[in-house]
Amino acid sequence: KQEVTQIPAALSVPEGENLVLNCSFTDSAIYNLQWFRQDPGKGLTSLLLIQSSQREQTSGRLNASLDKSSGRSTLYIAASQPGDSATYLCAVGAGNQFYFGTGTSLTVIP
Amino acid sequence: GAVVSQHPSWVICKSGTSVKIECRSLDFQATTMFWYRQFPKQSLMLMATSNEGSKATYEQGVEKDKFLINHASLTLSTLTVTSAHPEDSSFYICSARNAGTSIYEQYFGPGTRLTVT
Repeated sequence: KQEVTQIPAALSVPEGENLVLNCSFTDSAIYNLQWFRQDPGKGLTSLLLIQSSQREQTSGRLNASLDKSSGRSTLYIAASQPGDSATYLCAVGAGNQFYFGTGTSLTVIP
Repeated sequence: GAVVSQHPSWVICKSGTSVKIECRSLDFQATTMFWYRQFPKQSLMLMATSNEGSKATYEQGVEKDKFLINHASLTLSTLTVTSAHPEDSSFYICSARNAGTSIYEQYFGPGTRLTVT
């Protein structure tokens, strides 16, 4: 069974700082990996989707990388803003379902 | 495109009663819908997978008689929590897969917050 871990569990940074969120998974046989944002009490907003054949995806200030062989993905956020404060979840698509990590709670301090 | 809605967005019910949550795909046909549960400070856990017109497949540890899932049409799936208890209080999120696409191309609803008193 796929296990997905996210480190750190919580992160607090000053506005403007660049930061990296980490996601690791135990089985490299994945179909894709997706990063989501979840605001308190809200649903999921898809940020970036990386297919298993890809190594990275970029959208604005966000860049996600995927190293399938080592079971790792990172989400890089450039020039962080207070509006980036949220919980970030990574999810691995494998075995006809998504396996979610426990998330990283990000706080960007103005 | 590819919008999934849930209703209600939040609900409070008394212990022992049943509550129904709806998941709708607004602009596409969803042959498969998924129901997830998220407890506070925890991640999403898949509860069940439902295919239109057939019985849902439940994940290990999820009571099928307690969490009734109906997927009667290509745009609507319902989750009914029967005889709810306070420990059923959670955030329930559905997702839907567009007909003809990969099972991994799922679109997520906004979630329903259930509180059982």
